[in-house]
Amino acid sequence: GIQVEQSPPDLILQEGANSTLRCNFSDSVNNLQWFHQNPWGQLINLFYIPSGTKQNGRLSATTVATERYSLLYISSSQTTDSGVYFCAVDPSGTYKYIFGTGTRLKVLA
Amino acid sequence: DSGVTQTPKHLITATGQRVTLRCSPRSGDLSVYWYQQSLDQGLQFLIQYYNGEERAKGNILERFSAQQFPDLHSELNLSSLELGDSALYFCASSVVSEDPDPPLHFGNGTRLTVT
Repeated sequence: GIQVEQSPPDLILQEGANSTLRCNFSDSVNNLQWFHQNPWGQLINLFYIPSGTKQNGRLSATTVATERYSLLYISSSQTTDSGVYFCAVDPSGTYKYIFGTGTRLKVLA
Repeated sequence: DSGVTQTPKHLITATGQRVTLRCSPRSGDLSVYWYQQSLDQGLQFLIQYYNGEERAKGNILERFSAQQFPDLHSELNLSSLELGDSALYFCASSVVSEDPDPPLHFGNGTRLTVT
């Protein structure tokens, strides 16, 4: 089946720093989403991004489906950005999202 | 608030028992998905229902079953529970199942502890 790899696995930042999280996938996909799992375990939908670039405040994402990767940019990080960031891909025609292993982010005050 | 409601929030039970987890999707959403999140396996897709019919199946054990009712709420039944079934179980919903798949919206999960 499709492999979804995220890097880095862990990231520690000082408040105000910028970061880039990467998601690589091994096969073609219909769609891709980025999620943030906060320290309370809630999974929050950040971006629905099959291709192209989207921005939402301090966060932005870019997916290049033909090259099988997506990037999540976090600018001016805040302590509330801490948690685990997952990308999830929908392999073509399977109607199910497969999650990567996540990037655990800790932002220090 | 995603609009997806899961109950109960926490569940503690013994090995060999059976439990039922409940999910109410967002208003208007026809698709319901179940995921299991454990420390060693990460987030695993279990099963998807669309308008009452099973649509896709993932790594769901035979001891587990699910259904989606006419009012679109869904239940996940876990039986003959083992210690390894302890996990966070998420339900997600989406508008319809189409190509490409629409975005998922997750509930807050049910944390199951098997002792």
